[in-house]
Amino acid sequence: DGGITQSPKYLFRKEGQNVTLSCEQNLNHDAMYWYRQDPGQGLRLIYYSQIVNDFQKGDIAEGYSVSREKKESFPLTVTSAQKNPTAFYLCASRATGTGTEAFFGQGTRLTVV
Amino acid sequence: GIQVEQSPPDLILQEGANSTLRCNFSDSVNNLQWFHQNPWGQLINLFYIPSGTKQNGRLSATTVATERYSLLYISSSQTTDSGVYFCAVLLSGGSYIPTFGRGTSLIVHP
Repeated sequence: DGGITQSPKYLFRKEGQNVTLSCEQNLNHDAMYWYRQDPGQGLRLIYYSQIVNDFQKGDIAEGYSVSREKKESFPLTVTSAQKNPTAFYLCASRATGTGTEAFFGQGTRLTVV
Repeated sequence: GIQVEQSPPDLILQEGANSTLRCNFSDSVNNLQWFHQNPWGQLINLFYIPSGTKQNGRLSATTVATERYSLLYISSSQTTDSGVYFCAVLLSGGSYIPTFGRGTSLIVHP
């Protein structure tokens, strides 16, 4: 089945560690996005990529990094510089163009312990 | 950037009731979606509706792009409708980044 797969579903991080969240899609979509959601809040954009080997910062990129070496994959690294990383992280993809829908993965819940 | 406002922020219903959720946006858009976030956090696509009206079972949506709003109707609500409903828009002539409202939290009691 086509879709977006995020892993792991739950992740625990010690303070000072970097962790990487995986996002893979087999929808042949060019554009991919990472959002952060805090309890009771909407979705805020961290990074996005419109094409392989290119990505742009979103509204809250500080403390995060990404790569886009393959069309199917857009991993997000939460670095030790991110002061408050505990949150729910959602990855999305979309075919480029104006008339296309975004689809989301199941999310990764990150907790700092 | 574009502003997306959803109302009401919270809604509590008895099973069987009808409801209307609203999404206002501040600029011209060429893409609008409604999502339902289930209790496990997953965002489920409900409608892609940049203009006009669509229906899917007990749910329907209408977007009036010229007046910059969209409505999501839920009829004969069920407990499984509980969760958070988000609208997301793409700005016309922009960088095609889905921008979200803060959502409407719906609780349906049996």
